[in-house]
Amino acid sequence: DGGITQSPKYLFRKEGQNVTLSCEQNLNHDAMYWYRQDPGQGLRLIYYSQIVNDFQKGDIAEGYSVSREKKESFPLTVTSAQKNPTAFYLCASSIGGALTETQYFGPGTRLLVL
Amino acid sequence: AQSVTQPDIHITVSEGASLELRCNYSYGATPYLFWYVQSPGQGLQLLLKYFSGDTLVQGIKGFEAEFKRSQSSFNLRKPSVHWSDAAEYFCAVGYFGNEKLTFGTGTRLTIIP
Repeated sequence: DGGITQSPKYLFRKEGQNVTLSCEQNLNHDAMYWYRQDPGQGLRLIYYSQIVNDFQKGDIAEGYSVSREKKESFPLTVTSAQKNPTAFYLCASSIGGALTETQYFGPGTRLLVL
Repeated sequence: AQSVTQPDIHITVSEGASLELRCNYSYGATPYLFWYVQSPGQGLQLLLKYFSGDTLVQGIKGFEAEFKRSQSSFNLRKPSVHWSDAAEYFCAVGYFGNEKLTFGTGTRLTIIP
């Protein structure tokens, strides 16, 4: 079955620690996205990538980093510079652009700070 | 900057009753409009989308939405809700030339027997 896999389901971060969230898709989609979801705030775009080896900042990129070395993978690193990382993180992908092509979402990773 | 407003944080509807969830966008250009649904602790699923053409759009699970430019609205409707429709619903907007979607804050739907 084609789809998007996010791991782990729950992730705990200690103060000053970097953590990496995994996102893998086997849909052969060119574009991939990372969103952050907080209660009462909807989804906010962190980073997106429209092609391998290229990515752009979204609306709240500070304290986060990404890489896109392979078409099927788009890992997100939450760095120690992100002072309020507790949130639900959603990865998505689409065949092409976000406007004309449907974005498919993964099941999410919940990040908690110890 | 593009933005979208969902004025209702939480709506409760009886099973079998009709439903309308409100969405208003603000920007001058022609919007690309979307409705997504999210079950608890899960990712989002696209219900329907509007780019151009017929302003009444049909989606999955019996949902429809109507684009009204004069009111800057894209309200989601369903004639008869089922208990399985209980979820959170998000409206989103995008514009040509800007490959990003802006999501509303969501409306949580509760269904009572």
